[in-house]
Amino acid sequence: GGIITQTPKFLIGQEGQKLTLKCQQNFNHDTMYWYRQDSGKGLRLIYYSITENDLQKGDLSEGYDASREKKSSFSLTVTSAQKNEMAVFLCASSMGTGGALEQYFGPGTRLTVL
Amino acid sequence: QQKVQQSPESLIVPEGGMASLNCTSSDRNVDYFWWYRQHSGKSPKMLMSIFSNGEKEEGRFTVHLNKASLHTSLHIRDSQPSDSALYLCAARPSNTNKVVFGTGTRLQVLP
Repeated sequence: GGIITQTPKFLIGQEGQKLTLKCQQNFNHDTMYWYRQDSGKGLRLIYYSITENDLQKGDLSEGYDASREKKSSFSLTVTSAQKNEMAVFLCASSMGTGGALEQYFGPGTRLTVL
Repeated sequence: QQKVQQSPESLIVPEGGMASLNCTSSDRNVDYFWWYRQHSGKSPKMLMSIFSNGEKEEGRFTVHLNKASLHTSLHIRDSQPSDSALYLCAARPSNTNKVVFGTGTRLQVLP
């Protein structure tokens, strides 16, 4: 088995601040994803990456940057935190680039902007 | 952009009852569908995947897929209070790794 770790677990920022969230997986999976989940709602795709140094925009990429430094890690940066923003950011990974491949999720980073 | 619509938004069923959840994609290139379950405070975990027309059953859970209408449904028979959770449908077109999730159906099973 493998595991996905996300750091930090809780992130409190100020309006306008640049904030970075990190994700590591030891599944040796090729594809990694960042999703945003607001208050028990559905997941919205921010960025995904099919291999090291690859980046693909999701539907919610504006206001975010991402970086796939190596196969096992995928970082997300909130470029300018919005006041009163609250959400959980979920990182996921899946093996390969095709087929009905299951995504495995990390525990999430809960963001609060004051 | 691809949209994945789920209905109903919320559902209450009695213990032992049948829960039926729906999901439709707007992208005609979608080839793969998944159903994930997310208990409160936890991360989503995959329940079932389907990519062929027809039906797939695993225990109390049955998934249907109609590729012509891009519609999938999840049916939970003999629902248990432990089934209470947010159910998320996900879809992926065949020519991309872009997995898009729906807005979810919140299921509550009353003892």
